[in-house]
Amino acid sequence: QQPVQSPQAVILREGEDAVINCSSSKALYSVHWYRQKHGEAPVFLMILLKGGEQKGHEKISASFNEKKQQSSLYLTASQLSYSGTYFCGTLPSGSARQLTFGSGTQLTVLP
Amino acid sequence: SQTIHQWPATLVQPVGSPLSLECTVEGTSNPNLYWYRQAAGRGLQLLFYSVGIGQISSEVPQNLSASRPQDRQFILSSKKLLLSDSGFYLCAWSVRGRGRDQPQHFGDGTRLSIL
Repeated sequence: QQPVQSPQAVILREGEDAVINCSSSKALYSVHWYRQKHGEAPVFLMILLKGGEQKGHEKISASFNEKKQQSSLYLTASQLSYSGTYFCGTLPSGSARQLTFGSGTQLTVLP
Repeated sequence: SQTIHQWPATLVQPVGSPLSLECTVEGTSNPNLYWYRQAAGRGLQLLFYSVGIGQISSEVPQNLSASRPQDRQFILSSKKLLLSDSGFYLCAWSVRGRGRDQPQHFGDGTRLSIL
């Protein structure tokens, strides 16, 4: 089942922070995050494997709450280059199912 | 380093015509390969994945098919295209043999328009 992302869209000024959430109705084994710029292919950001795990990529970090079956992506001091659509992909626990992507969060950073 | 190539970049086809999209990966062996479709403004829908030559798993029943004739070649086909087949088709690969927790690396995609 497709994970739910929120918000669907967010507009920021350069330097502001943003949080993107990804929730699943199923127990999760891992969460993947990707960013896609308009007209381009998605680019891998990070994978979170364990409950409560946090990872960072430049000023982009993420957390994974296994008990709540959700992950959050944190964008700190946004840069213009952060604009794009962010997708989470989830892998359920105890299943051979492949990655299922959410519908995406469109992030626009304005100067 | 590994690279993934998809072609063509754009394609305009009439309804009922056949389709063949090709994807090749370089710089790695025995990759997992994936075909996704992305409708305008929507998320990524997994169509097929393959863990080896001739091994294809279908995620969504439809008039599309996939084949993997060589280790690093993945082909998406259709005998008769429908209007609903329009979209952005993405091929991706990941390292095989280390479980499902490997990042997927996407090609530049094919933008398919059906008239």
